[in-house]
Amino acid sequence: DAKTTQPTSMDCAEGRAANLPCNHSTISGNEYVYWYRQIHSQGPQYIIHGLKNNETNEMASLIITEDRKSSTLILPHATLRDTAVYYCIVRVVLTSGTYKYIFGTGTRLKVLA
Amino acid sequence: KAGVTQTPRYLIKTRGQQVTLSCSPISGHRSVSWYQQTPGQGLQFLFEYFSETQRNKGNFPGRFSGRQFSNSRSEMNVSTLELGDSALYLCASSLASYALTDTQYFGPGTRLTVL
Repeated sequence: DAKTTQPTSMDCAEGRAANLPCNHSTISGNEYVYWYRQIHSQGPQYIIHGLKNNETNEMASLIITEDRKSSTLILPHATLRDTAVYYCIVRVVLTSGTYKYIFGTGTRLKVLA
Repeated sequence: KAGVTQTPRYLIKTRGQQVTLSCSPISGHRSVSWYQQTPGQGLQFLFEYFSETQRNKGNFPGRFSGRQFSNSRSEMNVSTLELGDSALYLCASSLASYALTDTQYFGPGTRLTVL
């Protein structure tokens, strides 16, 4: 299974961009990278996903390196409500032809006032 | 559109008992996955159901089982509860697990405490 490696924790000043890195060096060619966040042990919330091109939505931007071995989630203007654990996930291909998520340990982001 | 709902939200059981948790997916979603989250092990995949069939299974003992109904609602059952089964159990639904890109949406979870 592809595994992800993330920093355990990060701090970011409110209003600044938060850049959360993720390594996924064993990712296969057709496996997507997904990002979720979890606040106060609620259910994880979907943020964004991508394959090899950079992606942007109303919540964040996802930058994937050309070799696909790493990616960065960017929250352009972090607010206190963005304090959460952020998970970088690879959606792995199974022998059955289906897929499943492999969660890593996540990065605990703390946004400081 | 309503999100994924899980019932009950909180549950307290004693060792040796069994428990059934319920998950209602987002309308139109046919795939339901279950996860266990503990402080020590993080988020671990339990199993996934699609069209009433278990498609994938994680590395959990046979005490953990599940099923899916024709309306895509799913239940998971844990028999002979152990203290280590105390966890947040999360359900996630998606349109179809076989799609190249298929996003899972999570419910709020059921917090199970085993005494």
